[in-house]
Amino acid sequence: KNQVEQSPQSLIILEGKNCTLQCNYTVSPFSNLRWYKQDTGRGPVSLTIMTFSENTKSNGRYTATLDADTKQSSLHITASQLSDSASYICVVSPNTDKLIFGTGTRLQVFP
Amino acid sequence: DAGITQSPRHKVTETGTPVTLRCHQTENHRYMYWYRQDPGHGLRLIHYSYGVKDTDKGEVSDGYSVSRSKTEDFLLTLESATSSQTSVYFCAISESIGINEQFFGPGTRLTVL
Repeated sequence: KNQVEQSPQSLIILEGKNCTLQCNYTVSPFSNLRWYKQDTGRGPVSLTIMTFSENTKSNGRYTATLDADTKQSSLHITASQLSDSASYICVVSPNTDKLIFGTGTRLQVFP
Repeated sequence: DAGITQSPRHKVTETGTPVTLRCHQTENHRYMYWYRQDPGHGLRLIHYSYGVKDTDKGEVSDGYSVSRSKTEDFLLTLESATSSQTSVYFCAISESIGINEQFFGPGTRLTVL
């Protein structure tokens, strides 16, 4: 069964600290992996999209990594800001137009 | 929200009543999607459209129908709302399938009493 699992479910960090969110997937075949940020009450916004051949991609303070052999991805946030408080969703696409969404990690950044 | 609006943004209705949610885009993207988001679940695809009058079912399509008579509008209808359809509904658009990004609307919170 195609599944995307994320950990931790929730995370609290202090402003200025770094953090890493994890994503494990069992989707096959594999086309691409995406990370989305979803602010409370808003729709998800894309952070990165990575294909099989890419193992790292950055978007400002956000860096995503992909290990297609172990079917794992991580999202690293550097020097966190209060505005990083949101849910971060890992999404994996098989070789179709479908997306399989994880349940997200809820990140709270406190001053 | 990438030129996507959803209406209404909030709705409370009673079991058994019909409900129509509207998604409107100004990006002229070919593909449009309806998802629902529930606690403990990732977003799940209800229906999608790959062109005017061309639609197909997603993984949770039971109890829902869609229509697309114009490129810019994609309607989601609950023929007879049930409490299990209480959810947040998101519309998304994309230029094409594959690696192309999906852009999401702001969502509609629907409560069925």
